[in-house]
Amino acid sequence: GENVEQHPSTLSVQEGDSAVIKCTYSDSASNYFPWYKQELGKRPQLIIDIRSNVGEKKDQRIAVTLNKTAKHFSLHITETQPEDSAVYFCAALDSGAGSYQLTFGKGTKLSVIP
Amino acid sequence: NAGVTQTPKFRILKIGQSMTLQCAQDMNHNYMYWYRQDPGMGLKLIYYSVGAGITDKGEVPNGYNVSRSTTEDFPLRLELAAPSQTSVYFCASSYSARGEDTQYFGPGTRLTVL
Repeated sequence: GENVEQHPSTLSVQEGDSAVIKCTYSDSASNYFPWYKQELGKRPQLIIDIRSNVGEKKDQRIAVTLNKTAKHFSLHITETQPEDSAVYFCAALDSGAGSYQLTFGKGTKLSVIP
Repeated sequence: NAGVTQTPKFRILKIGQSMTLQCAQDMNHNYMYWYRQDPGMGLKLIYYSVGAGITDKGEVPNGYNVSRSTTEDFPLRLELAAPSQTSVYFCASSYSARGEDTQYFGPGTRLTVL
């Protein structure tokens, strides 16, 4: 089955700086990679996703890059703000396997210091 | 739309007791999922359903059962509660037929087994 490793487990940045979270996956057939944000005590919410036919995707201050050869993908947050403080989870899915199961990383706790 | 709703929000069980965690969605999604979230461990899939009458095991199904008699409801049953089942449980739903779609999460149920 798929295995997703996520680093770092905690990350502190100054407000206005950039934050980068990296994930690696094991199944070369995985083709869908979402990122979820979970604020303290709240439910996870999708913030961005990327499919394997795309190398990069941006949405305002958030971007995700995918390197299929190296089997890793990264979340980039620019101009960080205090409201970006949360736990971020990456995930991977092999939609062709017929199992519809997302495999999640263990999460990165991002703290943005004002 | 209420989205995905879960009841109860909190519950304390004694070892060996049984309970059902309720989950409902009003978005007419075919796909529904149950996850558990342990501290520092990300989200692990317990069971999922691709439509009424169809369910399948996820990564950690032992000790749990599910049913899907309607599109809207996807209850999770714990038959003999054990301390290892202490966790936060999230129900989620999505529209996509292949898993490559936003999963909408409920607010979660925090379960403690003593």
